[in-house]
Amino acid sequence: QSALTQPPSASGSPGQSVTISCTGTSSDVGGYNYVSWYQQHPGKAPKLMIYEVTKRPSGVPDRFSGSKSGNTASLTVSGLQAEDESDYYCSSYAGSNNLGVFGGGTKLTVL
Amino acid sequence: QVTLRESGPALVKPTQTLTLTCTFSGFSLSTNGMCVSWIRQPPGKALEWLARIDWDDDKYYSTSLKTRLTISKDTSKNQVVLKMTNMDPVDTATYYCARLRVHLGFAFDIWGQGTMVTVSS
Repeated sequence: QSALTQPPSASGSPGQSVTISCTGTSSDVGGYNYVSWYQQHPGKAPKLMIYEVTKRPSGVPDRFSGSKSGNTASLTVSGLQAEDESDYYCSSYAGSNNLGVFGGGTKLTVL
Repeated sequence: QVTLRESGPALVKPTQTLTLTCTFSGFSLSTNGMCVSWIRQPPGKALEWLARIDWDDDKYYSTSLKTRLTISKDTSKNQVVLKMTNMDPVDTATYYCARLRVHLGFAFDIWGQGTMVTVSS
């Protein structure tokens, strides 16, 4: 399975919104509504932020939202806060006989 | 409370076999829809999905690493074991185990803290 494509970096000022893209193929992102997003602070384990493209686990601020169009999924962080500065990874289901795939990660900087 | 904890050697020599154990609590791996995966992350690099084992004992492996990997579970001990043969310095990474929930769209909802493995002679 090939890795999903994410921009290496993204940035925004406090209070602004930023969107991170995650591009795959019709065999993964485009074929299923099973995209998830993870936040990873330095030296820490990833944390689930979005699952099934748009859903937020309990405890995740509603500033975080997800969407998908075709083969590209997106994570939008609204009202940026300093603590949102982190690495973000997308992941997608890739069919019943496959393991699934991660994106290459995006480093979000809050200016 | 659901927790997962990885354990294994911090240092292995090239060509050796790495054995990592994920010990979990707060859920049963015999429950429909529960899965445990191993994911690794080389220093400064991205996450890489290695293997997954499901409640019904189905197993899935990374295409590029499948000849070197074996995943197994001991439901009575609440453990999942990953074996990786023929270790190489490029396998130096933090290795995570994580719970994957089919009913959450195959998302990893709980992660272990990770264990750093260095491959060096």
